[in-house]
Amino acid sequence: SAVISQKPSRDICQRGTSLTIQCQVDSQVTMMFWYRQQPGQSLTLIATANQGSEATYESGFVIDKFPISRPNLTFSTLTVSNMSPEDSSIYLCSVAWPFSGTDTQYFGPGTRLTVL
Amino acid sequence: RKEVEQDPGPFNVPEGATVAFNCTYSNSASQSFFWYRQDCRKEPKLLMSVYSSGNEDGRFTAQLNRASQYISLLIRDSKLSDSATYLCAVTPPNDYKLSFGAGTTVTVRA
Repeated sequence: SAVISQKPSRDICQRGTSLTIQCQVDSQVTMMFWYRQQPGQSLTLIATANQGSEATYESGFVIDKFPISRPNLTFSTLTVSNMSPEDSSIYLCSVAWPFSGTDTQYFGPGTRLTVL
Repeated sequence: RKEVEQDPGPFNVPEGATVAFNCTYSNSASQSFFWYRQDCRKEPKLLMSVYSSGNEDGRFTAQLNRASQYISLLIRDSKLSDSATYLCAVTPPNDYKLSFGAGTTVTVRA
C-alpha cells in the first residue's frame, strides 16, 4: 500500500464558490480515482484521473463541475465548482497499481465538505 | 436494479457471536470483488479481496458464488472492535473502477 494524504481534511464553504482538493501519494501509482460519499450513502465514482490527459468521468459527472488535474504519478486535484448545498459530501481519492498483480484500491482519508 | 446490493442491517450481535451477510452483484462478468470496512467518519479500509476459491483471514471468511452472483462475509467470534459498516465492492470486466454497495452495519455489543 501507500501513504495517501488529502488537503484540506474538511472545509465549510459558501454556495457559488469553488474548492480544490489535493491528493498526494508517497509513491508513484498507476491509477488514481475520485469518489464522493454523500451523507448516509455509499461511495460513488466521480472520475478516473489520467496522468497527462483529461479525466474520464462517470455518468452524471461533468468536467465543468468537477475539473480534475493529474500532473504526475503522485498527485491529483479535484475542484468542486460553483458549489451548492447538494455538494456537501465526503470526497475521497483512491489509488491502485493494477499492473502489479493486484487491482486493489486504497483510499485517502477524505475531505469533508459542507456547503452553506 | 442496482449494480451492487447489500442488506443494510443493522446486525446487532453479542460479543463472541458469528455474523454473516451477503452482497449481490448484477453483472455476471464482474472481475474482482472486495470487502472494505468503514468506521464512522473515516475512509474505507480494505478488509480482504474475495477469490473464487474463497479465502480466510483470521476470524473473517469471504466466499464468492459466481453462479448466484453474490459474495459473502462471515465474522467469527465477534469483537467489540468489529463494529463498523462493511462495504462490498465489485469491478467490471477489464476495468478497475469500483462499484460499491450501500454497506452493512454491524454492531457488536458487550
